[in-house]
Amino acid sequence: GENVEQHPSTLSVQEGDSAVIKCTYSDSASNYFPWYKQELGKRPQLIIDIRSNVGEKKDQRIAVTLNKTAKHFSLHITETQPEDSAVYFCAALRGAAGNKLTFGGGTRVLVKP
Amino acid sequence: DAMVIQNPRYQVTQFGKPVTLSCSQTLNHNVMYWYQQKSSQAPKLLFHYYDKDFNNEADTPDNFQSRRPNTSFCFLDIRSPGLGDAAMYLCATSRDGNSPLHFGNGTRLTVT
Repeated sequence: GENVEQHPSTLSVQEGDSAVIKCTYSDSASNYFPWYKQELGKRPQLIIDIRSNVGEKKDQRIAVTLNKTAKHFSLHITETQPEDSAVYFCAALRGAAGNKLTFGGGTRVLVKP
Repeated sequence: DAMVIQNPRYQVTQFGKPVTLSCSQTLNHNVMYWYQQKSSQAPKLLFHYYDKDFNNEADTPDNFQSRRPNTSFCFLDIRSPGLGDAAMYLCATSRDGNSPLHFGNGTRLTVT
């Protein structure tokens, strides 16, 4: 089955700096890669996603890059703000054979004012 | 935008006493998922339905069952909850299994 590794597990940055979270996946058949932000006690919220036919996607301060050959993808948050503090999960989906979304282990991001 | 609704938000049950968690959706999505999330961990898929087709994860304990009587509703039954089953249970939907997941707010289960 699919295995998604996520690093780092915790990340502390100064407000205004950039944050980068990296994920690798094992199943070359995976074709959809979402990123979720989860605040304490709340549900995961989709913040950005990318499909395997695209190498990069940007939405304001958030960007995701995908390297299919190396099977890794990354989340970039620029100009971090205290409200960016949360746990972030990457995930990989196989579109066929079960439609299963596999999550990475999560990264706890703390943005210090 | 409460399109995936889970009830109740908090559930307390006794050790060994059956409990049912419910999920409903107004999105008319084909796929419904149940995830278990323990503190500081990633959501773990228990099972999912693609329409009426049930797909159980290999490592989901037999203690966990699910029912999907129609497109809108899905239930998670825990037949004999143990202390280790205390967790947040998240329901999610997807239009076709290859689209973004929409999560409900979750039910936090406490086992006493």
